[in-house]
Amino acid sequence: SQELEQSPQSLIVQEGKNLTINCTSSKTLYGLYWYKQKYGEGLIFLMMLQKGGEEKSHEKITAKLDEKKQQSSLHITASQPSHAGIYLCGAVNTLIQGAQKLVFGQGTRLTINP
Amino acid sequence: GAGVSQSPRYKVAKRGQDVALRCDPISGHVSLFWYQQALGQGPEFLTYFQNEAQLDKSGLPSDRFFAERPEGSVSTLKIQRTQQEDSAVYLCASSLGRVGGRAGYEQYFGPGTRLTVT
Repeated sequence: SQELEQSPQSLIVQEGKNLTINCTSSKTLYGLYWYKQKYGEGLIFLMMLQKGGEEKSHEKITAKLDEKKQQSSLHITASQPSHAGIYLCGAVNTLIQGAQKLVFGQGTRLTINP
Repeated sequence: GAGVSQSPRYKVAKRGQDVALRCDPISGHVSLFWYQQALGQGPEFLTYFQNEAQLDKSGLPSDRFFAERPEGSVSTLKIQRTQQEDSAVYLCASSLGRVGGRAGYEQYFGPGTRLTVT
């Protein structure tokens, strides 16, 4: 069974449009990470959310955590070509002596059309 | 400061060969993780170190996989008698962990090693 579901799996938007990517966990969330990945590269840390209702923003990207619903959303405002890539959410379902073991979704592939 | 580095970036191995993948975490980071990422999928947890202690190896797929971090900094993931299903990108991540009263859990990833077993 899928512990962490991302939707949509792929997304094509026109440059300048807003978009939202969702991440839903079937287990209790102790935290939620968002990363961006380009093909052949590692994961670029975007944001980490740890408290219910927490919302963080960086440049044009905003992420929110709804602990009760075990969900997080990533919202991009006025998308740009530089936003293209694969967005991954990583859920913290288990704590290992002060560290956080991440379970990842399958990713959302974002394409920005000029 | 330098980020997490991994070497080699690409490795082609013939089935049955042993391989060793290296990870240099961010200096001072206590926690080190290895993940395996199959094509088109999210990373999957393999193992975790806190300093030199391997506290969780529940994700290692078989006893052909072995990881070590003998001095609490550089880590090596070794795969013996490689099989085609081992082909994947192997990602290393580090985090500050809990150092004294300070906790930093953000995991920073390296660029990965793409392993192809032929």
